[in-house]
Amino acid sequence: GAVVSQHPSRVICKSGTSVKIECRSLDFQATTMFWYRQFPKQSLMLMATSNEGSKATYEQGVEKDKFLINHASLTLSTLTVTSAHPEDSSFYICSASQGFSNQPQHFGDGTRLSIL
Amino acid sequence: DQQVKQNSPSLSVQEGRISILNCDYTNSMFDYFLWYKKYPAEGPTFLISISSIKDKNEDGRFTVFLNKSAKHLSLHIVPSQPGDSAVYFCAARGAGGTSYGKLTFGQGTILTVHP
Repeated sequence: GAVVSQHPSRVICKSGTSVKIECRSLDFQATTMFWYRQFPKQSLMLMATSNEGSKATYEQGVEKDKFLINHASLTLSTLTVTSAHPEDSSFYICSASQGFSNQPQHFGDGTRLSIL
Repeated sequence: DQQVKQNSPSLSVQEGRISILNCDYTNSMFDYFLWYKKYPAEGPTFLISISSIKDKNEDGRFTVFLNKSAKHLSLHIVPSQPGDSAVYFCAARGAGGTSYGKLTFGQGTILTVHP
């Protein structure tokens, strides 16, 4: 149980393109989803917290207009990197939580984004 | 300011022996501590967690110890197996306020278990 699917696994695109990444909880309802970013040999850094039916909460230093998050249902959250540039190249990972206090976050397999 | 630190970037262990992975934290406003295992190009997989009110939690070969006074936790894997080779992240979950439910990760420790 507690499977999180993230798609696509890899994206290579030109600078200026907008890229949408989907995160789905397959076998549970996720009241909260989280988006992380990981640079090579570094830790996972939380970008934003997404709650179903409400606006996402962004961490300090993360541009809201650059990284658009939508959490329209209890099983789907999307992250759109708008007008991506080479410095946005990174490994983006989502996680989902059932919302109960003793439940861990379960992670998708990540999306490797490469902007040329 | 790194609130969760894993000071050992790597650890090498012989198969069958014990692996001990360490993690230190500086903030007391965490209610759960978690360990995740990660392979390259994959997302982290949850291994084991411990509530801040406990000092030990065991699940099969994995045991997590929490020393609140020292703000230190450790993951013990015994016996270690070659399939345990991966990057291990410790994470601390925010207990309240704007940090509630959010995970803060350490830098990770690369564990290599030799046959």
